[in-house]
Parts: sequence; C-alpha cells; structure tokens
Amino acid sequence: AQTVTQSQPEMSVQEAETVTLSCTYDTSESDYYLFWYKQPPSRQMILVIRQEAYKQQNATENRFSVNFQKAAKSFSLKISDSQLGDAAMYFCAYRAYGGATNKLIFGTGTLLAVQP
Amino acid sequence: ETGVTQSPTHLIKTRGQQVTLRCSSQSGHNTVSWYQQALGQGPQFIFQYYREEENGRGNFPPRFSGLQFPNYSSELNVNALELDDSALYLCASSDFYGYTFGSGTRLTVV
Repeated sequence: AQTVTQSQPEMSVQEAETVTLSCTYDTSESDYYLFWYKQPPSRQMILVIRQEAYKQQNATENRFSVNFQKAAKSFSLKISDSQLGDAAMYFCAYRAYGGATNKLIFGTGTLLAVQP
Repeated sequence: ETGVTQSPTHLIKTRGQQVTLRCSSQSGHNTVSWYQQALGQGPQFIFQYYREEENGRGNFPPRFSGLQFPNYSSELNVNALELDDSALYLCASSDFYGYTFGSGTRLTVV
C-alpha cells in the first residue's frame, strides 16, 4: 500500500525568507502523481503544485518549487520569498497513475507559520 | 467555473443519529470523492463516485454510504454516528486534470 510521510509537524519562517517542507512516500509503482496542497483556516484544499513522476524536471509555480527525487522517494516543497499569506497547513499527497479511482493519499501535514 | 459547495458548514449530532452531507460538483467534473479529516490529521479517502456509481472505497464501514445524482452533485450519509466520526468532511470533484475541493462540513458528534 502507498503511504505518504511528513516528518515536520510545524515549521516557522521569517517573511521574505525561504523555507523547505519535507515529504517522503512509499510506492511500488513507477508512474504516479505527487501534489502539495495548502489548507488555510478557510479549510478548502488549494493546489500549490503538481509533479508527474515520469517528468524528470522539477515543477515550479512562481515562488513555489519542488525537489523531486524519485529514487529516494522524496518530494520537498520550497517556498521562496515567504509571505504572510503563505501561513497555512501544507499537505503532501500521492495519486496512482491510471486505475479506477482518483484517490489521493495524504500525509499528516506541516503547519507553516510566517513571522513578520 | 462554479467551484464546489458543501452544506451544511457545521453540524452537531448525537451519537446513534444519522447525518447527510451534501456537495455540488465543479462544472464539467463527473467524479466526486469524499474525505474524512480528523483533527490534526490528513484527509482519509472514504469513497468515490463516477457517473452515479461508486467505483472506489477506502477503509470505512458500510454505515458510510453515498449517492451521486445526474447533475454529479453528491451526498454522504453516515448512520449510527459514533464519537469518532467527529471530523471535517471534505468533498472533491475531479476530472483527468485535477481536483477542486469544497470548504468542508465540520461534524461534531456528542
């Protein structure tokens, strides 16, 4: 069974600084998708970034980028130039490629605080 | 795009009662999934509906059931509520390209 592990329950960063959130996963599949979601106090899961496992290039979305290490099964999120609005719970998630369902498997989350 | 709307936003029920939670689907999405998020945890997959049929289920007992309607909106029903069912219930509609989540229903069982 696939699992997702986030070993940092809480992280803190100064405004304008850079922070990296860690995520490891376990799967026997070779094709899959990985996601980082942000959950602010409004509770709605918001997609931050998505990575397809078959792509060697790391995904980037503005200030957000990932370090995808397929062999190590590691998928970290780097937030550059942190802003107060980045404060939220961040979840790493895995989805198998193909199959009958679009089931997402989530980690336990990292609560990010941004200090002014 | 209409987004995903869940109702109600908050709900308090008594142990043993039954509850129905509702979810609209993002326009163009024919798949809806439900997740349970206990306090301090990541969401756990309950089940998925595709074109009105359940086509995937997580490790949840049969007292968790659902429906999907022709307009792709969905309901989650929980019978014989237990204290451990207290959680945030998230709905997500999806297509091949991605997911749109609602803001959830916070269920408290007392």
